[in-house]
Amino acid sequence: NAGVTQTPKFRVLKTGQSMTLLCAQDMNHEYMYWYRQDPGMGLRLIHYSVGEGTTAKGEVPDGYNVSRLKKQNFLLGLESAAPSQTSVYFCASRKGLGQDTQYFGPGTRLTVL
Amino acid sequence: AQKITQTQPGMFVQEKEAVTLDCTYDTSDQSYGLFWYKQPSSGEMIFLIYQGSYDEQNATEGRYSLNFQKARKSANLVISASQLGDSAMYFCAMRDFTWGRDDKIIFGKGTRLHILP
Repeated sequence: NAGVTQTPKFRVLKTGQSMTLLCAQDMNHEYMYWYRQDPGMGLRLIHYSVGEGTTAKGEVPDGYNVSRLKKQNFLLGLESAAPSQTSVYFCASRKGLGQDTQYFGPGTRLTVL
Repeated sequence: AQKITQTQPGMFVQEKEAVTLDCTYDTSDQSYGLFWYKQPSSGEMIFLIYQGSYDEQNATEGRYSLNFQKARKSANLVISASQLGDSAMYFCAMRDFTWGRDDKIIFGKGTRLHILP
């Protein structure tokens, strides 16, 4: 039982490049989330999904797209990376039964030059 | 709009002392949950404790307890007998359980706790 995994762990991009971050969970959770963490800002929700095939915008969705084609995977895409997207990205999941806890992945550190 | 406020950006505490990390929240909803997470220097987010808005008792998990004061909208984390390994960033978070609402969890900006030997 790996829990929530994220790929890759580190990445450096040049401005304008694109990339996809993969989040995978093996707990059969319905809900999945993408957050970004910046110094002094806490965690801010980018996008989330309440089930396979569904996505919704969070607090800071601009510049990102997501897809949830399979229940266990939640992909975060950056079509044209900008230096402002330099951050640590966390994925999380939960069952979706009201008062249950989120489980977080280990994070991806992304630097955009 | 929902909001979480952690007013202590940093704290220094002597080992073995108890420590209270402050968290206040703002919501107009009746049904919500409050969470505390720990983030050590390694970066992972570790769930510590949960308190539901209708829970009559304060939540406890080992050395962690949550001092829930609903009327004051505060959910302070208390760590008893602090240890060096408690040095980390701590985040307070809230989720609204009202049916039909967007399922968003709001995080505070965190408090960095330093335990001194």
